[in-house]
Order: sequence, then C-alpha cells, then structure tokens
Amino acid sequence: QAGLTQPPSVSEDLRQTATLTCTGNSDNVGNQGAAWLQQHQGHPPKLLSYRNNNRPSGISERFSASRSGNTASLTITELQPEDEADFYCSAWDNSLSAWVFGGGTKLTVL
Amino acid sequence: QVQLQESGPGLVKPSQTLSLTCTVSGDSIDSGTYYWSWIRQPAGKGLEWIGRIYSSGSANYNPSLKSRVTISVDTSKNQFSLKLTSVTAADTAVYYCARVSRTWDFDSWGRGTLVTVSS
Repeated sequence: QAGLTQPPSVSEDLRQTATLTCTGNSDNVGNQGAAWLQQHQGHPPKLLSYRNNNRPSGISERFSASRSGNTASLTITELQPEDEADFYCSAWDNSLSAWVFGGGTKLTVL
Repeated sequence: QVQLQESGPGLVKPSQTLSLTCTVSGDSIDSGTYYWSWIRQPAGKGLEWIGRIYSSGSANYNPSLKSRVTISVDTSKNQFSLKLTSVTAADTAVYYCARVSRTWDFDSWGRGTLVTVSS
C-alpha cells in the first residue's frame, strides 16, 4: 500500500526552527491535505494540526502547518526539549479509500 | 472530554483471531457525529490504519487487511470492536482506537494495547 514520504530524522538546535515535510500525490495530500501527529515515546499519537492546517485547541502556536501541491509541511519555531518526538503525517487517499500515514520523522533537539 | 480505552487479550496464538474492544466515555457513539477507527503500530515502526465504523454499523477497511478484518459497534455499551482473523507474527503491534473528527482527522486516541502473536 502506498504511503506518504517523510524524512526519517531531522535535527535542529534548541530555540531554532525545524521544518518537517510529508510528500504524497494528487490522490491524498494534493487533494485533501495532511494532518500532523506528534508521538512521544511510549505514548499515543496526538493531533497537532488538522488537514485544513488549523490547530486543535491547546496546541501551541509554535506549530504551524502548510501545503504546497503534493507536499505538506510542519514548521516548529523556538524549539524546546519537549518537542523531541516522532512526527507523523496522515491523509485520506481517494484512490485507496483509506487513510495513509507517513513513515514518521524523529525530531532531535540539539 | 472524550476518552477511549482499548481492552482485550495481550497474547494471541498464530492462526487464531485477535479480538479487541474500545470503550468510549465522554461522548456518545450513537450521536452519529463521528467515525470511530482502529490503527496499529508495530514496535519501532509507523502507523497503519485498519478500518473505521459509523454508528449505523457501516464500516470501511484498509484494502490490505480487508479480507481478515471486521469492525462492529455496540451503541448500547458505547463500544466498538475489532476482529482480525488468521493472525501471524506480522500482526504483533500496539493497537489504538481513535475518534475521527468531522474534518476526518484522528483527534482523540486511546492509550493503546500491545497484542503479541506467538505460540
């Protein structure tokens, strides 16, 4: 089953800005956008951004999502130690009639 | 605030059927506002969508698992369930239940339950 493509790892310095990417195709990301989830070790995923790029209540403004064509991006500003986690994108795929996920990006804050 | 809790056996023998239940509190499945979904995650790996169900009982499944999966709902108990037949070691994973928002995003998750397939 085709999934979404994410870089396996991203490292960035404390208080700097990290940008994570998620690439799909016109049947998923390009058509309906992608949501972003954050998962700390040993915990369930948590929704950071809806597919329409809006943040759920309680999510810091330091997290912002966008999309250009078939690629979605999550930008995290003013990186904090607690931002270290795995980040996943997800999208509904019209051709598969199924949700697809990216393989996840491990964010390290240096 | 909605809460979801997975329950079921943590160990299943190969070729047998995996059965899990998700109990929802703080929201009514019968409201018809949301879909309810199962997602799994093998250790150290990414997320895989298994399927979703609506309060009416209408369900959709991941094409890669469709032949082995059944998701059902019991609105009287505010629960929905997963059955996965003919399991192998490849089905060993943490299984999550999740609520699907009106925007079709997974906005609430259970804590997950580890299911190991082993003899």
